[in-house]
Amino acid sequence: RKEVEQDPGPFNVPEGATVAFNCTYSNSASQSFFWYRQDCRKEPKLLMSVYSSGNEDGRFTAQLNRASQYISLLIRDSKLSDSATYLCVVLISSGSARQLTFGSGTQLTVLP
Amino acid sequence: GAGVSQSPSNKVTEKGKDVELRCDPISGHTALYWYRQSLGQGLEFLIYFQGNSAPDKSGLPSDRFSAERTGGSVSTLTIQRTQQEDSAVYLCATGGRRVNEQFFGPGTRLTVL
Repeated sequence: RKEVEQDPGPFNVPEGATVAFNCTYSNSASQSFFWYRQDCRKEPKLLMSVYSSGNEDGRFTAQLNRASQYISLLIRDSKLSDSATYLCVVLISSGSARQLTFGSGTQLTVLP
Repeated sequence: GAGVSQSPSNKVTEKGKDVELRCDPISGHTALYWYRQSLGQGLEFLIYFQGNSAPDKSGLPSDRFSAERTGGSVSTLTIQRTQQEDSAVYLCATGGRRVNEQFFGPGTRLTVL
């Protein structure tokens, strides 16, 4: 079983749609959680951190359920520019070691 | 420069040759990570440097892979006796004290023929 699992998609949605991505992680010692965005043939970039209480940044809402080891990302009023691969990322720290584990990503295409 | 830079941007090599990939971090960033990403796959952690501490090498796939970071700044990832399965994009990321400040370089696309 992968440490971080995501539905690979692709998700093809029309402009203005609301779309949700899910992610599950297997290590209960995971401490911090993030969503990264990766455009085609580009490097990943941090989209947002995910906090236990849930957090929102404009059209993007992230949720964390530690009991179920589940993370979600909701995108409202999707734009063409939202087309990308969304990576779920989990941090495990142990002593001085800090390791980010990336999911394989969920591909989103927003259609005009 | 303001961001993480990597060189070369593309590298084509023959099976069995050694390659060296370079990462120039953002000035002042103490943490440096190497990942690789195969086509259509997620990022695979390779190695992590934090300041002067011993690196976390737990992600290196074989003893053909090694990395060093000189003076807490520039890092090089070396792959000896390259194999075709080593073909991937090798990404370097650096960060400050908070891991969510991690910034990625543009990557080196390695092709082993």
